Amino acid sequence: EDKVVQSPLSLVVHEGDTVTLNCSYEVTNFRSLLWYKQEKKAPTFLFMLTSSGIEKKSGRLSSILDKKELFSILNITATQTGDSAIYLCASLGADGLTFGKGTHLIIQP
Amino acid sequence: EAGVAQSPRYKIIEKRQSVAFWCNPISGHATLYWYQQILGQGPKLLIQFQNNGVVDDSQLPKDRFSAERLKGVDSTLKIQPAKLEDSAVYLCASNSADRGELGYTFGSGTRLTVV
Repeated sequence: EDKVVQSPLSLVVHEGDTVTLNCSYEVTNFRSLLWYKQEKKAPTFLFMLTSSGIEKKSGRLSSILDKKELFSILNITATQTGDSAIYLCASLGADGLTFGKGTHLIIQP
Repeated sequence: EAGVAQSPRYKIIEKRQSVAFWCNPISGHATLYWYQQILGQGPKLLIQFQNNGVVDDSQLPKDRFSAERLKGVDSTLKIQPAKLEDSAVYLCASNSADRGELGYTFGSGTRLTVV
C-alpha cells in the first residue's frame, strides 16, 4: 500500500520567516509527487515533481524531489499571512494519488 | 474554463439517514474521483471513474456507500445509512488523460456533519 508521510503536522511561525515542509513517500511504480495548498476546501495545485534534484519555483515557493531518499521538501520564504493553509503532499503511483495528512501552517502577523 | 462543481456545500443529517452528493466535472474530463477528507487527514480516494466505468472502488465502504456516473459526465455519491464517522468533507476531482497529473482539479467539496 502506498504511503505518504508529512512533517511537521502543524507549524506556527511569524510573518517573514522561512519554512520548510517535509514529505516522504513509499510508492509502487512512482510517477510523480505533487504539492497542493488547501485553504478552505478545495486543494489547489502548486507543483509537480518527477525528476530528482530539479527545483521547481513559483514566487516565494519552491520544491525539490530526492528520488533516492524518497522525499520532497516545500520551501516558503518571506512568509505572509496569506500563506496560512494546509499544505498537502501527494504521490502518484500504482494506487493512484495518495495524500499525506498535510502540514497545517499558520503565519502570525 | 469552469471548475468542478459540487453540491450541496454543507449538509447536516442524523445518523442512519441517507444523503447524496452531486459532482459535475470539468467538461471533457473523462476521469472523475470522489475523495473523503476527515478532519486532520489528507483526502482518501473512495472511487475513481473512467467515463461511466469504475476503475477503482477498493476503498469504498460498499455496505453503505454507492456512487454512479451513468452518462459519463456528472456523478452522485450516496451514503445510506450514515454513521457518525462519515462526518467529513467529500471532494470531487476530475482529470483529463492528456494533462496527466497536472490536470487534477478539485471541487470545493461538501462538508457533511452526521449527528
